[in-house]
Amino acid sequence: GAVVSQHPSWVICKSGTSVKIECRSLDFQATTMFWYRQFPKQSLMLMATSNEGSKATYEQGVEKDKFLINHASLTLSTLTVTSAHPEDSSFYICSATPGYIQYFGAGTRLSVL
Amino acid sequence: DQQVKQNSPSLSVQEGRISILNCDYTNSMFDYFLWYKKYPAEGPTFLISISSIKDKNEDGRFTVFLNKSAKHLSLHIVPSQPGDSAVYFCAAKGDSGYSTLTFGKGTMLLVSP
Repeated sequence: GAVVSQHPSWVICKSGTSVKIECRSLDFQATTMFWYRQFPKQSLMLMATSNEGSKATYEQGVEKDKFLINHASLTLSTLTVTSAHPEDSSFYICSATPGYIQYFGAGTRLSVL
Repeated sequence: DQQVKQNSPSLSVQEGRISILNCDYTNSMFDYFLWYKKYPAEGPTFLISISSIKDKNEDGRFTVFLNKSAKHLSLHIVPSQPGDSAVYFCAAKGDSGYSTLTFGKGTMLLVSP
């Protein structure tokens, strides 16, 4: 299957700082990538759809100024959690699709102190 | 309103036996269904998918069955192995190639030796 790389896998930051998470499709081009968040023992919650060369589409209830998404190339999308607070601590996962199947990155564990 | 439901939060099976994971959906516009396997602190791994025009798809030990009239699908794992122990997510998508996935809450499968 296709490979999606996500970095970093784990990040700890102080409250008020910003954190950037990268998502790369390694062996295919992805005009669309997706960002999810998973709370403990919960399902994956779609946060936003990242579109190459245009603005991301955010799901209801997700603050676009809080979670900045940049999809500058066909293989890279970034999610920046701005002014992170402890309630932003979570597991963030990206995915990309060359067609019908979404392939996921390994996820990023964000811990905000 | 949950459009994809996995009503069993957990399932325990003995090694060598069959594991059957169930999934129900409510949106008749869904036309493609996927199963993902997820270990803790990792991204989901694609397992198998099925188009709505089929009622069965098989890949090695994994078989997915789709009953459109009942809006029900199931994943069969035969024979089950301890390494299959993970959380299994059912997901559904609409008829656009890049439309978003709707996930169920997952079923934790435990295969004991």
